[in-house]
Amino acid sequence: GQNIDQPTEMTATEGAIVQINCTYQTSGFNGLFWYQQHAGEAPTFLSYNVLDGLEEKGRFSSFLSRSKGYSYLLLKELQMKDSASYLCAVRGGSNYQLIWGAGTKLIIKP
Amino acid sequence: DSGVTQTPKHLITATGQRVTLRCSPRSGDLSVYWYQQSLDQGLQFLIQYYNGEERAKGNILERFSAQQFPDLHSELNLSSLELGDSALYFCASSVVPGQGNTIYFGEGSWLTVV
Repeated sequence: GQNIDQPTEMTATEGAIVQINCTYQTSGFNGLFWYQQHAGEAPTFLSYNVLDGLEEKGRFSSFLSRSKGYSYLLLKELQMKDSASYLCAVRGGSNYQLIWGAGTKLIIKP
Repeated sequence: DSGVTQTPKHLITATGQRVTLRCSPRSGDLSVYWYQQSLDQGLQFLIQYYNGEERAKGNILERFSAQQFPDLHSELNLSSLELGDSALYFCASSVVPGQGNTIYFGEGSWLTVV
């Protein structure tokens, strides 16, 4: 079967660092995406990993380990506007379908 | 602005009715995806089209149908509506449905069934 697991909810403090984990089991792998979604709004693209390692983009970094079926999104210098859901999605299978995790709701406290 | 346009933004209709949601993909994108997101739920993949042809089908009810037209815009038809169909419906598009191609989402159509 195909499955993506993320924590349902996380809480962090403004200015701190938070790591959101994603584990996946898919038939085939053709890349992993992270999206940010504010409540009632469209998901917006954050990052894409297809090779093992860390991709850094400003305050956000994403890491992938294909052998472990594991990724994380690291958010630094948290701001209140980072309060949102973070969705992990894996492109897998023979037809490159995107399989979505249920999302992690991140709550930032002052 | 992702470049994906969805109309209408909000829609209120009664049970048993039929509605059509419309999507224009980003310029140059050939693939269109439809998703349903109920309140506080994850994204549920409904259906995907590529260059006018159905490419993949997800958890789409038989009461729902979609198509992609020659100009690449797409429509999602929802019929015999039930209260549980109330949700945010997203359209997304990508250049081609493969590998690293990022999908970009429209702002969604809020459907309320009363």
